[in-house]
Amino acid sequence: DAGITQSPRHKVTETGTPVTLRCHQTENHRYMYWYRQDPGHGLRLIHYSYGVKDTDKGEVSDGYSVSRSKTEDFLLTLESATSSQTSVYFCAISATGSGSDKNIQYFGAGTRLSVL
Amino acid sequence: SQQGEEDPQALSIQEGENATMNCSYKTSINNLQWYRQNSGRGLVHLILIRSNEREKHSGRLRVTLDTSKKSSSLLITASRAADTASYFCATDTGRRALTFGSGTRLQVQP
Repeated sequence: DAGITQSPRHKVTETGTPVTLRCHQTENHRYMYWYRQDPGHGLRLIHYSYGVKDTDKGEVSDGYSVSRSKTEDFLLTLESATSSQTSVYFCAISATGSGSDKNIQYFGAGTRLSVL
Repeated sequence: SQQGEEDPQALSIQEGENATMNCSYKTSINNLQWYRQNSGRGLVHLILIRSNEREKHSGRLRVTLDTSKKSSSLLITASRAADTASYFCATDTGRRALTFGSGTRLQVQP
């Protein structure tokens, strides 16, 4: 999975608890992304980062926050988990951003999160 | 609603047959990409076609793009059981990040 490690791979938590998912890359790529994948919805962008400390919201960012203090790490936090956040979460990286013909994304193996 | 919508949602064929998947999108794009996802795994990039290209080949894959109709197709020739996976189109509009469709589930029967 292209030098991308997501942790944990599986997590079960209770409604109302905070949860942090980690994405670690060894490719030194500038761009990092968090998606969620749900049946019938494909992948939906939660947040993305275009550099250290530079992040922006995606289409489904409510209830999520991110941080990127180092090039290699991108953290996704569910501030107070809800059952609607039960999903599979994917991290992706790319060397360039949108508009470039080199904007090919490489994905981690995913984190399966269940909120009970 | 999704920028990219794949059709059909599911496809079942026999080994050796060709598989065709379609993708429609709504806004102008810089490029369109196809990704593959095996069960329980992350997505893997297959092929990218620029907005000024009409057709592109990579091994057994053939991608076409019709910007006037805002549609693309992915053809997998001589399919194999190992091609069983979900296939997603993704559009690059120059804003934010790629926008993915909901995917086509391909089952290739041995």
